[in-house]
Amino acid sequence: NAGVMQNPRHLVRRRGQEARLRCSPMKGHSHVYWYRQLPEEGLKFMVYLQKENIIDESGMPKERFSAEFPKEGPSILRIQQVVRGDSAAYFCASSPLAGTDEQFFGPGTRLTVL
Amino acid sequence: GENVEQHPSTLSVQEGDSAVIKCTYSDSASNYFPWYKQELGKGPQLIIDIRSNVGEKKDQRIAVTLNKTAKHFSLHITETQPEDSAVYFCAGGSGGGADGLTFGKGTHLIIQP
Repeated sequence: NAGVMQNPRHLVRRRGQEARLRCSPMKGHSHVYWYRQLPEEGLKFMVYLQKENIIDESGMPKERFSAEFPKEGPSILRIQQVVRGDSAAYFCASSPLAGTDEQFFGPGTRLTVL
Repeated sequence: GENVEQHPSTLSVQEGDSAVIKCTYSDSASNYFPWYKQELGKGPQLIIDIRSNVGEKKDQRIAVTLNKTAKHFSLHITETQPEDSAVYFCAGGSGGGADGLTFGKGTHLIIQP
């Protein structure tokens, strides 16, 4: 029973490029959450999605960041025109059907912006 | 919004001793409080959680207590072992999967042999 999968595990981009981070939730989970972790910091909530719906994006920066969770395929966190401040670890979590609180995290994608 | 404070930021204990990490939260609507363990280079791993209708929960060497009136909850690890060394995060949420969790800044637990 595979856990939450994220790829790539490490991503290097130059300033101004685009970064695409992918997350496949655990089998049977239809809720996906994205978090960002800066060095020596806790995780900060970014966005919560269900299939084909963004439920809560209150933690997402208003510009350059977007997220989707299509009917088929993984959830994608997209960062356009990356800047050095975007360098962080990005974690995806999934949870089972609505009404359950447990969130299970993937291994993360470590983004480095040069 | 919710604010979760976690103390201490670093905790060093002798192997075999107990470790206690404390968190406070601000939003009285929060009713779900998980604890995560994060090892270097890995994602957070859920180790125990508690809901607001319960005051204490135990799983082998790990226990969590919750005081709703005071808005604080604690993680207790007994008989600590070297493999317990990691960063531990507390978090709070309003439950029902309706929103994201608010995390504390983490406690670096060091088990001294």
